[in-house]
Amino acid sequence: ELKVEQNPLFLSMQEGKNYTIYCNYSTTSDRLYWYRQDPGKSLESLFVLLSNGAVKQEGRLMASLDTKARLSTLHITAAVHDLSATYFCAVDPAGTASKLTFGTGTRLQVTL
Amino acid sequence: EAGVAQSPRYKIIEKRQSVAFWCNPISGHATLYWYQQILGQGPKLLIQFQNNGVVDDSQLPKDRFSAERLKGVDSTLKIQPAKLEDSAVYLCASSPPRSYRETQYFGPGTRLLVL
Repeated sequence: ELKVEQNPLFLSMQEGKNYTIYCNYSTTSDRLYWYRQDPGKSLESLFVLLSNGAVKQEGRLMASLDTKARLSTLHITAAVHDLSATYFCAVDPAGTASKLTFGTGTRLQVTL
Repeated sequence: EAGVAQSPRYKIIEKRQSVAFWCNPISGHATLYWYQQILGQGPKLLIQFQNNGVVDDSQLPKDRFSAERLKGVDSTLKIQPAKLEDSAVYLCASSPPRSYRETQYFGPGTRLLVL
């Protein structure tokens, strides 16, 4: 059974600080997705990583994928309050962008 | 472009009652998914449709859950009878054809509380 683990599960950080969220998965996959979910809202797509070594950046967020290590990271640079949300990674081992297995989620709280 | 639409947004029922949720995907999206998201967890895929055919329903509790996608557009998910553990948010998502480079687009969800 595919397992997708994120850590930390909860992260409280001050504005202006940097931090990294980790996503480990248990089976081979060349594709990984990152989503953001605000409280009571649906999931918003952040990044689609399609190959080993893929790196994508949007604003203060940067995601990378190491398929050999079965690891993806979501790096936050100079956090701001607006980034407070829950972040999910999702793995797509079949490579069809269909059957996604989501991680446990990391709840990020950015304090002033 | 309109997003994925779902209704109702909230539903409260008693255990053993039945409930149905509706989803209208983004226009032109051939693939439709239903997910269950229990509080504090990531979404779990229940069923995937390609047009009006089922691609994967391996995680759908078929003794009480059913889903259909008539005419390959709208879809309904039904629970009958509901149990307390069915309390969750039910998310519908869709993705376009030949979507191997695409993500899934999620609707706002239906929050179900079973008492």
